[in-house]
Amino acid sequence: EVQLEESGGGLVQPGGSLRLSCAASGFSLSSYWMSWVRQAPGKGLEWVANINQDGSEKYYVDSVKGRFTISRDNAKNSLYLQMNSLRAEDTAVYYCARDVWDGSGWYLFVDYWGQGTPVTVSS
Amino acid sequence: QPVLTQSSSASASLGSSVKLTCTLSSGHSSYIIAWHQQQPGKAPRYLMMLERSGSYNKGSGVPDRFSGSSSGADRYLTISNLQSEDEADYYCETWHSNTRVFGGGTKLTVL
Repeated sequence: EVQLEESGGGLVQPGGSLRLSCAASGFSLSSYWMSWVRQAPGKGLEWVANINQDGSEKYYVDSVKGRFTISRDNAKNSLYLQMNSLRAEDTAVYYCARDVWDGSGWYLFVDYWGQGTPVTVSS
Repeated sequence: QPVLTQSSSASASLGSSVKLTCTLSSGHSSYIIAWHQQQPGKAPRYLMMLERSGSYNKGSGVPDRFSGSSSGADRYLTISNLQSEDEADYYCETWHSNTRVFGGGTKLTVL
């Protein structure tokens, strides 16, 4: 059974940093692209970043470029999100997600979601 | 970059059927999308991947009551024999130029 378990969320002051972790089990992490997706309180889903199997490709939504870094350790079956210079608008539940390509290899979708970890940026 | 447009809300009676729509913006009508369900207070759940042709591929454990179809730029999620647990937010998703895009979501109320 595929399982994704996030940790590391919490309350942080504006300008502060947090590192989120995602422990993967039930599949070989090294075979999949992985993502972080967030959801602000009462709002919809927003993609944050994703990373390819060996970490050589990373993509980010514009609003977090230069502040957030996605990384992975396949040997530890773990995905990470380092968040620096946090702002109030980064307040959200952050979900770890597994990505899968469609048959053509053109489209990348989420096929499994973690339970999420909440991040609150406030003084 | 594609924009995915969804109605903000929908409602239907217990035991009936409902068809939710995700509309791709101009120039992107051929795109494949995915549908996700988010029940209140829970994490999202992948439902299916849906192609322009109407062919779809459901996730593990998704009931037969859920099906997909397409017409032009519109991608549909149909839920038959509505159950109380189908009351949820439904999001569509696509991928373009190394960017993931979500629709704004449709809140489905089961009456």
